Amino acid sequence: NAGVMQNPRHLVRRRGQEARLRCSPMKGHSHVYWYRQLPEEGLKFMVYLQKENIIDESGMPKERFSAEFPKEGPSILRIQQVVRGDSAAYFCASSPFRDPATNEKLFFGSGTQLSVL
Amino acid sequence: AQTVTQSQPEMSVQEAETVTLSCTYDTSENNYYLFWYKQPPSRQMILVIRQEAYKQQNATENRFSVNFQKAAKSFSLKISDSQLGDTAMYFCAFTPDQGGSEKLVFGKGMKLTVNP
Repeated sequence: NAGVMQNPRHLVRRRGQEARLRCSPMKGHSHVYWYRQLPEEGLKFMVYLQKENIIDESGMPKERFSAEFPKEGPSILRIQQVVRGDSAAYFCASSPFRDPATNEKLFFGSGTQLSVL
Repeated sequence: AQTVTQSQPEMSVQEAETVTLSCTYDTSENNYYLFWYKQPPSRQMILVIRQEAYKQQNATENRFSVNFQKAAKSFSLKISDSQLGDTAMYFCAFTPDQGGSEKLVFGKGMKLTVNP
């Protein structure tokens, strides 16, 4: 059973370009979470999605950021018109049900390192 | 607001020795969960150990154990018989025991180096 797969592993964008980060959850997992890790910081929650629904986007910046988890295919975190401050590692996690941390069923990917020039 | 503080940014230990990583947190919740995650150079976040706040007994997982002091809001991780593969960033994390445990709150992390 493959783990949570994120690609690309590294992504370089120039200011003003768009960044699209992909996350394929573990098989059988229908809940996806995105976290951001700024340099020298811990991970910070961004958004929680189930298939075709955004459940909690309280950690997502109001502008330029969006996320989706379609019925088919990976979850996508999209950042429009990137700025240098968006440079960070973006982690995806998945679980088979809600409240995953309390049941030890939350699994993380290896992240996408976004560098904005 | 819920916060997690790891005051030691970096530590080193000799192989086979014991090391303790400190973590404090702040919350008004009565029931919650605490975690230690390991992030090796591969960058993947790996769950090391988990503690339920309503359980007085400290959690243990092989060479890893915690010292949970609820009144002091302290949650330290002890690694016994340190191995080279333990070299990694270690993050302390918290989540309330309610709907929404996917919203983990992480500390800034601590870099542990195990020397041969």
